[in-house]
Amino acid sequence: DGGITQSPKYLFRKEGQNVTLSCEQNLNHDAMYWYRQDPGQGLRLIYYSQIVNDFQKGDIAEGYSVSREKKESFPLTVTSAQKNPTAFYLCASTHGVMNTEAFFGQGTRLTVV
Amino acid sequence: AQSVTQLGSHVSVSEGALVLLRCNYSSSVPPYLFWYVQYPNQGLQLLLKYTSAATLVKGINGFEAEFKKSETSFHLTKPSAHMSDAAEYFCAVVTGRGADGLTFGKGTHLIIQP
Repeated sequence: DGGITQSPKYLFRKEGQNVTLSCEQNLNHDAMYWYRQDPGQGLRLIYYSQIVNDFQKGDIAEGYSVSREKKESFPLTVTSAQKNPTAFYLCASTHGVMNTEAFFGQGTRLTVV
Repeated sequence: AQSVTQLGSHVSVSEGALVLLRCNYSSSVPPYLFWYVQYPNQGLQLLLKYTSAATLVKGINGFEAEFKKSETSFHLTKPSAHMSDAAEYFCAVVTGRGADGLTFGKGTHLIIQP
């Protein structure tokens, strides 16, 4: 079955470390997105990519980095510059543009210890 | 710029009662509107979407929403609540081609009382 796979489901990071969250889709979707979810805040856009080898900053890109070397993959790195990284991270994809249905992964819960 | 306001961070209804979750949007151009549902520690699942066709949109699990341009609203309703409807619900908007992604409201936590 087609879908989006995020891994790991739970991730623990020590302060000062970089960590990378994986997002893989087999839907043949062109566009991929990363959102951060905090309680009572809704979802906020971190980065998005419309095509391979191209990506744009969203509303809260500081302290994060991404790459899009393959159509299927859009990993997110949470760097040590992100001062408050504890959150639930969601990856999404769409076939072309966001006015069609967005498919979401199951999320990765990142906790700083 | 586009934005979404969801009135009420928590809504509690009795099982079998009407569910009404409110969403108002702000957009300078005709919007596309969505409702998503999220169960604990899960991703989001599309309930329904408005894309400028019929103003009354029917979705999955018995939910529907009505687009009212004059009120800039897109409220979500269900005639009879089930215990399984307990979840977080998000209203979202995108304008134009939506190249920069969905803009989400802050969510409404629906509680179903037995």
